Amino acid sequence: AQTVTQSQPEMSVQEAETVTLSCTYDTSENNYYLFWYKQPPSRQMILVIRQEAYKQQNATENRFSVNFQKAAKSFSLKISDSQLGDTAMYFCAFMKAAGNKLTFGGGTRVLVKP
Amino acid sequence: KAGVTQTPRYLIKTRGQQVTLSCSPISGHRSVSWYQQTPGQGLQFLFEYFSETQRNKGNFPGRFSGRQFSNSRSEMNVSTLELGDSALYLCASSFRGLAGVSTDTQYFGPGTRLTVL
Repeated sequence: AQTVTQSQPEMSVQEAETVTLSCTYDTSENNYYLFWYKQPPSRQMILVIRQEAYKQQNATENRFSVNFQKAAKSFSLKISDSQLGDTAMYFCAFMKAAGNKLTFGGGTRVLVKP
Repeated sequence: KAGVTQTPRYLIKTRGQQVTLSCSPISGHRSVSWYQQTPGQGLQFLFEYFSETQRNKGNFPGRFSGRQFSNSRSEMNVSTLELGDSALYLCASSFRGLAGVSTDTQYFGPGTRLTVL
C-alpha cells in the first residue's frame, strides 16, 4: 500500500514571498503520478499541478513548481509570489498508473498574510 | 465545459436513516470516484465506477455502496447512518481511456456535506 506524508501541518507566508511545501511518499511502484491539490475555504478541491514519475523534468504551472526527487520519494511544491488567494489547504496525492485511486497526505494549511 | 456537479450540497440526517448522493461528471468523462473527507481521517477513497462497473473499492463497510448509470452519472448510498458518517463527500471524474487505463487527472466536484444527528 502507498502512503503519503506531509510533515508541515501549517505554514504562513507574506504576500509576494515564496513558500515550499514538503511531501514524501512510499511506494514499490515504478509508474505513477503525483499531484498537488488546493482546497480553499469554499471546500472545492482544485488541481494545482501534476507530475508523471517517468518524466525527469519538474512540472511547472505559472507560479507553482515542484521539485520531484524520485529516488528520495520526495515531491515538494513551491509557490512563488504568494497571493492572498493562495490561502488554502494543500494536499499532496499519489496515484499508481492504471489505478485511478488517489492516496492523499494529511494536508498543509497555507496562510498568506498581507 | 461544465465541471463536476454534486447534489445535494448539504444534507442533515438522523442515525439509522439512509442517504443517496449524486454526482454528474464532466462531459466525456467515464470514470467517477468517491472520497470521504473528515477532520480525523482526512481524505479516504471509497470506490470508483467506470463503464457502470465498480473497479476499485476502499476500506469501508458494506453500508457504503454506489452505482453508475449509462450516462456516467453516479450515485452513492449510505445505509443505516452512524454519527461517524458525518463528512464531506467528494466525487471526482476522469477520462480513463478506452482500455480503462488511467492516465488522466481527477477533477473534483464541490462536495456534499452530510451531517448525521
